[in-house]
Amino acid sequence: AQSVTQPDIHITVSEGASLELRCNYSYGATPYLFWYVQSPGQGLQLLLKYFSGDTLVQGIKGFEAEFKRSQSSFNLRKPSVHWSDAAEYFCAVGAPTNAGKSTFGDGTTLTVKP
Amino acid sequence: KAGVTQTPRYLIKTRGQQVTLSCSPISGHRSVSWYQQTPGQGLQFLFEYFSETQRNKGNFPGRFSGRQFSNSRSEMNVSTLELGDSALYLCASGTKGQETQYFGPGTRLLVL
Repeated sequence: AQSVTQPDIHITVSEGASLELRCNYSYGATPYLFWYVQSPGQGLQLLLKYFSGDTLVQGIKGFEAEFKRSQSSFNLRKPSVHWSDAAEYFCAVGAPTNAGKSTFGDGTTLTVKP
Repeated sequence: KAGVTQTPRYLIKTRGQQVTLSCSPISGHRSVSWYQQTPGQGLQFLFEYFSETQRNKGNFPGRFSGRQFSNSRSEMNVSTLELGDSALYLCASGTKGQETQYFGPGTRLLVL
């Protein structure tokens, strides 16, 4: 069975500082991996995705993530955080044959200090 | 293209009632998935429909059901509502291969 772990429930960073959100997954083969962001009361917005190929993927809003098979990780990074980045972030894994049944981590809430 | 739309956005029901939520996918998308989001359980997969057929189902009781129409619009129904059904219900649509899902804004259901 596939599973996702986001070890950090809550992270606080200062505006302008760098950010890394951790994600570890469990899946038998190479999965489809996703990062989503959710603002309060809103749906999920896709930040980026990894299917295959280059292990460093670029997304929207200046985010990037690196797939590391040896560590079963897909960490999300941003070099300089903006106050508008405060939100909840979800990592998800889907099977290549059926990403429609994605499994989500519990989420990491990001607070940005001025 | 318009995004995924969900109606209604907010709903208040009482225990024992039933509710129907609607989801209109992005034009051209034939796959629709439903998720339940609660503070305690997080995001949990309910079911997925593709071309009017249920392709996958999560671990939810039979009170939760869904269907998809020929225009790819989908509805989910919850019968005999319980307090624990209070949640944000998210719908996502995807393309043929379903490699990527696009989420709607959700329907927030409150059961009193």
